[in-house]
Amino acid sequence: GAVVSQHPSWVICKSGTSVKIECRSLDFQATTMFWYRQFPKQSLMLMATSNEGSKATYEQGVEKDKFLINHASLTLSTLTVTSAHPEDSSFYICSAGSGNTGELFFGEGSRLTVL
Amino acid sequence: SQELEQSPQSLIVQEGKNLTINCTSSKTLYGLYWYKQKYGEGLIFLMMLQKGGEEKSHEKITAKLDEKKQQSSLHITASQPSHAGIYLCGADVGGKLIFGQGTELSVKP
Repeated sequence: GAVVSQHPSWVICKSGTSVKIECRSLDFQATTMFWYRQFPKQSLMLMATSNEGSKATYEQGVEKDKFLINHASLTLSTLTVTSAHPEDSSFYICSAGSGNTGELFFGEGSRLTVL
Repeated sequence: SQELEQSPQSLIVQEGKNLTINCTSSKTLYGLYWYKQKYGEGLIFLMMLQKGGEEKSHEKITAKLDEKKQQSSLHITASQPSHAGIYLCGADVGGKLIFGQGTELSVKP
């Protein structure tokens, strides 16, 4: 079946540095990808919708300059957490769909810890 | 904005018992998804429902969407320890998926 892969699965960085997380659709082309954030014991909160070839659409309250999203190809979207701070520590998950209303596939998630 | 309310928030059942998780939407659902998540891991797709009154089953898990398309239930028959995890309902809102707060299921052997 369709697979979405995220990398890295976990990352530790120092406060003030930037971290890039990749989301790849392995066997299908994804015109749209979604980035979520999940705090411990909480549900997934949609951060932004990543559209291939155009700017991402951010949800209310999500800083677009803080969380840079690039969807340069039909199989890759990246989320860059810029100038990371400890409060950015979280579990980030991406999902991808082929553009039709149907099953959305989720990556394995990336755990970010900012020291 | 559309909101999803799941109940219960957590559930502990004895192995072999049946259980039901509910998901209620503040607005009409045009696509309702059920996922399972192990804490700290990705989501596993279970089922998607679109039509009022629709019911789907996979192994011992059955999901239903009511006729008014504002409520869905997930029923597990004869629960097993492998069913333990967090169950999330998600709603298709204009092509993007929003989630309920999740139901944490524990199955005691």
